Formats: sequence, structure tokens, C-alpha cells
Amino acid sequence: DIQMTQSPSTLSASVGDRVTITCRASESISSWLAWYQQKPGIAPKLLIYKASSLESGVPSRFSGSGSGTEFTLTISSLQPDDFATYSCQQYNSFPLTFGGGTKVEIK
Amino acid sequence: QVQLQESGPGLVKPSETLSLTCTVSGGSLTNYYWSWVGQSPGKGLEWIGSIDYRGNTNYNPSLKSRVSTSLDTSKNQFSLKLSSVTAADTAVYYCARVISAEWALDYWGQGTLVTVSS
Repeated sequence: DIQMTQSPSTLSASVGDRVTITCRASESISSWLAWYQQKPGIAPKLLIYKASSLESGVPSRFSGSGSGTEFTLTISSLQPDDFATYSCQQYNSFPLTFGGGTKVEIK
Repeated sequence: QVQLQESGPGLVKPSETLSLTCTVSGGSLTNYYWSWVGQSPGKGLEWIGSIDYRGNTNYNPSLKSRVSTSLDTSKNQFSLKLSSVTAADTAVYYCARVISAEWALDYWGQGTLVTVSS
């Protein structure tokens, strides 16, 4: 199985901050990576697919980059609605695997 | 707008079978794969398996011996069965739709907590 490692596990930030979350794959996954936002009791939301493609309806302050084994999710200017947990997922090969999540907290 | 909603018992006894159903509204099961994803308390998401509208399946090898999925196109529903459950299977279970030609998940249910306990 491909292991996905996210860092940091927790991030404290303020509204307006630029935030970067890293996801590393245990082997190359080309660009087959997605990012999700999770909030308690709410359906997870797809933000980015194919490493850098923005899902329809997702604000442009979210962006993704990377290929191979290292990927980043960037929020250019953190908004109050963005405090949540973010997870990456590889779909280069089965089984699909997810990172452990990064919780973005209010500083 | 496609919406998914999980349903099923919130409490299952050890060694019994966990059964969940996902009802899809605002769209058809046709031409898509549909997935189940679990999240144990305090842990990351775990893909359980997927089924397409023709009944083709893919399962996580770690669970494959205990998992089965099915779908009912007449009711626009798909289902998960996980047998011989233990406390380790206590989790929030999500159903989700797989993007066509990708294996990212574009629509999710809000999740349902299933506790395994006697």
C-alpha cells in the first residue's frame, strides 16, 4: 500500500494568514492526488483533484501543487470558514489511501 | 445537486455484521463508481471499497475477506456489509461518489457513526 504522510498534524493560524500543508507519498503517484476539507457532522468536501485542479465551486484561495511524492495544499488568505481538517488521498493505485489529516486551528 | 445519505444501525454487537445503506438523490447510480470510507475515532480516513453501476467491485485488501457491497438501481441505493465486526470497526462510515475517469471522491454523505459493543 502507498503510505501518505501529512505535515503538520496541527497548524495554528490567524484569519488572513497564508497556510501550506504538505503531503508526502511513500512512492511516486504522478499527479493522482486529491485534497479534502472535513468539518464535524458535515460531508467531506473535495477541494483539489489531480494535484492541482480546483473542484468546481471551491474558492480560488485554495490551490494545490506537486507531483511524484511531494504535494502541497495552500490557502492564500485563511478565512473563518477554513478552520477545519484537511486530508490528502492518493489514487495512483489500489487500495486508495489517505493521509492522517491536518487540523487548522484558530491561533 | 447530488446528495448522499447513509442509514443503518448505530450499534452492532461484536462478531455480527454491520449493514449500511447509502441513498443517492439528485443523480443516478449509472456510469459511476460508489465508495465506502471509514474513519475510526481520532484517525485518518480509510477506503473500504467501491462498486460501480454494473456491480464491478474493488475492495481494500485489509478488509476484503469481510466486506461485500451491492447496489439497487431501482431505489438509487448502494449498500455495505462488514462481517465479524470487532471494537476496531467502530467508526464513522461515509458513502461517496467517485469522479468519472478519476478516483477522487466528489460527493460524500455526512457520515454515520457505528459503534461495535455488546
